Amino acid sequence: DAGVIQSPRHEVTEMGQEVTLRCKPISGHNSLFWYRQTMMRGLELLIYFNNNVPIDDSGMPEDRFSAKMPNASFSTLKIQPSEPRDSAVYFCASGGTGLSYEQYFGPGTRLTVT
Amino acid sequence: SQQGEEDPQALSIQEGENATMNCSYKTSINNLQWYRQNSGRGLVHLILIRSNEREKHSGRLRVTLDTSKKSSSLLITASRAADTASYFCATPQGGSEKLVFGKGTKLTVNP
Repeated sequence: DAGVIQSPRHEVTEMGQEVTLRCKPISGHNSLFWYRQTMMRGLELLIYFNNNVPIDDSGMPEDRFSAKMPNASFSTLKIQPSEPRDSAVYFCASGGTGLSYEQYFGPGTRLTVT
Repeated sequence: SQQGEEDPQALSIQEGENATMNCSYKTSINNLQWYRQNSGRGLVHLILIRSNEREKHSGRLRVTLDTSKKSSSLLITASRAADTASYFCATPQGGSEKLVFGKGTKLTVNP
């Protein structure tokens, strides 16, 4: 298995532009997680899905952020409009259902908003 | 909310020495997990210890869990330069698959 796949790996954009991050989870995993990592705030969970349904989006910082999972093999995280404070590394992770499943992380997308 | 808190924040040792990192958490847990993150990479799962376990081993890793003190430790024995990374503990929150990560311990192993 190729593991969790994220694209793009790096994204540089100007303030106000729309940014779309993509994730392909590991086949067979029922849960998908979007995280954001910064030096100041560490690793924060933004939203997670179970069987393609959003379960907890309490970590989504603002209405500028939205996430979708149209099917079991694809998810997107969209920021519109982007702001410099959105600069961070965004990780997607997938895992099984239940309390005792580890999460498998993708390589991340490094987003820089200028 | 921050559940796990690692200690120390940074640790620098010589190759061959043992490295011990600690994690404290606040609420009752079903399990506790440790992850490693190499610079510029995603997190990698190392080991999961369940609440009814006190100690678990995996290769050079030894994890302990003390639910009465709400704490866990990760011991890496005979460290190698390749062990240089940040180490995070994580606990499920709210009876769900949601994991809450601490801020990590940055380990440097000098050759």
